[in-house]
Amino acid sequence: SAVISQKPSRDICQRGTSLTIQCQVDSQVTMMFWYRQQPGQSLTLIATANQGSEATYESGFVIDKFPISRPNLTFSTLTVSNMSPEDSSIYLCSVGPRTGESTDTQYFGPGTRLTVL
Amino acid sequence: AQTVTQSQPEMSVQEAETVTLSCTYDTSESNYYLFWYKQPPSRQMILVIRQEAYKQQNATENRFSVNFQKAAKSFSLKISDSQLGDTAMYFCAFIDSGNTPLVFGKGTRLSVIA
Repeated sequence: SAVISQKPSRDICQRGTSLTIQCQVDSQVTMMFWYRQQPGQSLTLIATANQGSEATYESGFVIDKFPISRPNLTFSTLTVSNMSPEDSSIYLCSVGPRTGESTDTQYFGPGTRLTVL
Repeated sequence: AQTVTQSQPEMSVQEAETVTLSCTYDTSESNYYLFWYKQPPSRQMILVIRQEAYKQQNATENRFSVNFQKAAKSFSLKISDSQLGDTAMYFCAFIDSGNTPLVFGKGTRLSVIA
């Protein structure tokens, strides 16, 4: 399975500021996904990060609030902009198959716990 | 759109006993994949077991096994010989291909009691 790291692992931020979360994979993958997990809830997809094109956002999530970059096949960033306490959540990235593989399994990074004061 | 339903928000089991977590799903696809993920307090999402819909044989991974009923769209997880380290949130998830996002259920919080 792919080895995935996320930075930072946790952060406490002030209202109105922005935080960029990094997701790094040890191999080239076709698709990367960003999820939000609010306290006590399940995972909600924010967007799909495509290499070489703009991210595809789910209903309720917009690029101005959650800009995403995917500069290559091993790396993606998610920025949480103009934060409010409602953005306090765990943010997780997951990756699809390695390029050239036909597997169906997705693996997750360790998550970033964000607290907004 | 696909949906995944976990009807048991919380469950508990005595150490060394067996517990079954329920999951149902809805899809119009004929080929797809189902997963159980475990999320301990560390928040890491850990793959427990996977099932390919075209395979009739139920998947097994050590103490973890599934009961996959395709016609009923049911995918339950059985944990045998429960251990304290099995205490976690368990999420059932669906996917129709590796390059599409997972669809998750709301989760079942499992507590293993000594």
